[in-house]
Amino acid sequence: DAGVIQSPRHEVTEMGQEVTLRCKPISGHDYLFWYRQTMMRGLELLIYFNNNVPIDDSGMPEDRFSAKMPNASFSTLKIQPSEPRDSAVYFCASSLFPGAEAFFGQGTRLTVV
Amino acid sequence: AQRVTQPEKLLSVFKGAPVELKCNYSYSGSPELFWYVQYSRQRLQLLLRHISRESIKGFTADLNKGETSFHLKKPFAQEEDSAMYYCALKSGGSNYKLTFGKGTLLTVNP
Repeated sequence: DAGVIQSPRHEVTEMGQEVTLRCKPISGHDYLFWYRQTMMRGLELLIYFNNNVPIDDSGMPEDRFSAKMPNASFSTLKIQPSEPRDSAVYFCASSLFPGAEAFFGQGTRLTVV
Repeated sequence: AQRVTQPEKLLSVFKGAPVELKCNYSYSGSPELFWYVQYSRQRLQLLLRHISRESIKGFTADLNKGETSFHLKKPFAQEEDSAMYYCALKSGGSNYKLTFGKGTLLTVNP
């Protein structure tokens, strides 16, 4: 398994544009997490899924952010419209069960100008 | 609500010196704690977990429930230990959340 795969690795977009980040978890992992990493706030949990169902989205900053998991092998995080303060590295992670090691993707570095 | 606090954003030590990265937590239930590490240009990865009571790359961490701490320690730091370290807390019950601290950037100088 190639691990958790995220795309794109880098994204530069203009303020107001829609941004879609993609994640493919490790096959067989029931839990999928989206995190945002910034210098000021560190690593923040945005949302997580269990068996494709969103369980806790209390970390999603506002309605401009949405996440979906249409099947066990794919998830998206969408920002519409994007703003400069959304600039960060967004990580996707998956784990087999609660308490198991969470495996992280390489991250998507988003820059909104 | 659970909370993880890493009081030091930056920590700099010399090679061979002891190092301790602090982590305090707040959680009403029985905690499960982890340390994750992110080396330069690499993925965030698990370093160790308290239930395993293991030593990885010379690092150990002991859960102190009285002080609600899970400090990461190594007696003799190496240059290759330079990285970003995150303490994490897993909540239980019906909400299996993994909450991270803000991280500590460790620099080991030659």
